[in-house]
Amino acid sequence: SQTIHQWPATLVQPVGSPLSLECTVEGTSNPNLYWYRQAAGRGLQLLFYSVGIGQISSEVPQNLSASRPQDRQFILSSKKLLLSDSGFYLCAWSVRDRYANYGYTFGSGTRLTVV
Amino acid sequence: GNSVTQMEGPVTLSEEAFLTINCTYTATGYPSLFWYVQYPGEGLQLLLKATKADDKGSNKGFEATYRKETTSFHLEKGSVQVSDSAVYFCALSLFSGGYNKLIFGAGTRLAVHP
Repeated sequence: SQTIHQWPATLVQPVGSPLSLECTVEGTSNPNLYWYRQAAGRGLQLLFYSVGIGQISSEVPQNLSASRPQDRQFILSSKKLLLSDSGFYLCAWSVRDRYANYGYTFGSGTRLTVV
Repeated sequence: GNSVTQMEGPVTLSEEAFLTINCTYTATGYPSLFWYVQYPGEGLQLLLKATKADDKGSNKGFEATYRKETTSFHLEKGSVQVSDSAVYFCALSLFSGGYNKLIFGAGTRLAVHP
């Protein structure tokens, strides 16, 4: 069966420090991968998606970047964190499905607090 | 454009009450529709889905019917429990730009009291 792992679960970082969040998927090949952010009490904002190794698309301009060095690995990074980067970060994967019937499977999330 | 609108929360109910959370959508093409649930401090879990008009998705006592004529996918449960307290997200999925794009509503927080 497919599983998605995301770590760390919780992170407290000072302003200006770097960030690296990692997400890996097991039990599937060629997944589409996604990073979402959820600010406190708010909805979900798609940050990045990837349809293949080295292929990253950004939905919103920001202080963050993403990379996909391997088929089932997706990394979210920042060189210098801002206070506004605080939030709950969710990784997700989906099969490639032209009929869009299967939705996404989400990881358990990383709560980032920038202080 | 493609979008999802759901009723604002919080929705506060007593245990065993009937639940309805309204969801309407706007989409080009023929989307699939989903309800996700997020328990405190956790990621999102798929609750139910429907992939074509008149389909009914159901799970854990929750159900929703894909109504193309009213572009709606309202979530219902006949008797809620305290353990149903969570945030519920309605979403639509379309194949667009080479990937399955999932568009979420803003979420509705449900609080169930004993």
